[in-house]
Amino acid sequence: DAKTTQPPSMDCAEGRAANLPCNHSTISGNEYVYWYRQIHSQGPQYIIHGLKNNETNEMASLIITEDRKSSTLILPHATLRDTAVYYCIVSFTGANSKLTFGKGITLSVRP
Amino acid sequence: DARVTQTPRHKVTEMGQEVTMRCQPILGHNTVFWYRQTMMQGLELLAYFRNRAPLDDSGMPKDRFSAEMPDATLATLKIQPSEPRDSAVYFCASGPGQGTYNEQFFGPGTRLTVL
Repeated sequence: DAKTTQPPSMDCAEGRAANLPCNHSTISGNEYVYWYRQIHSQGPQYIIHGLKNNETNEMASLIITEDRKSSTLILPHATLRDTAVYYCIVSFTGANSKLTFGKGITLSVRP
Repeated sequence: DARVTQTPRHKVTEMGQEVTMRCQPILGHNTVFWYRQTMMQGLELLAYFRNRAPLDDSGMPKDRFSAEMPDATLATLKIQPSEPRDSAVYFCASGPGQGTYNEQFFGPGTRLTVL
């Protein structure tokens, strides 16, 4: 699986959009980009995934660059409950292939 | 609301003792994962099963760890003998094993402390 690079931390104000970047320059053609998050003392939670098109669901939007070497997770209106570690993961297709979690980015939402 | 359940939630034991952690995957899910999380190493995959058969246990120390799925509703992770370096949070996750994407549903974890 391709590696991902994320900054260690960022913060944003409550109510504002949080834009979380991820680099995955070695991604291959059939690898998806996944985002999970882990709120303190809980198990990770799936957020969203995409291959090459931008995706949106009730939790977030995922913007993938045309060359697929990077992506951005957008939380449109961050709340205090969005404070968590966010993991960007690249994984091959195939249901329940392995996910390799890196260090993630710690998002702190301030009041 | 279907969830992965894990027992016990907390376990304190002494070095050398056997530890068994249990996981009930979401009904209908055929893929089960075991992860371990520590501050130093982060979240590591230990093993995973599909249709109760082990697919990959390369992340698991074989000399002391064992993972099984006695039936489709129960997965176990056993450590014998336990050591202080096994102290960690152990997460179980399950997935539907269908389609082409990789949504895993995680349980609340078992926090293990080995003294």
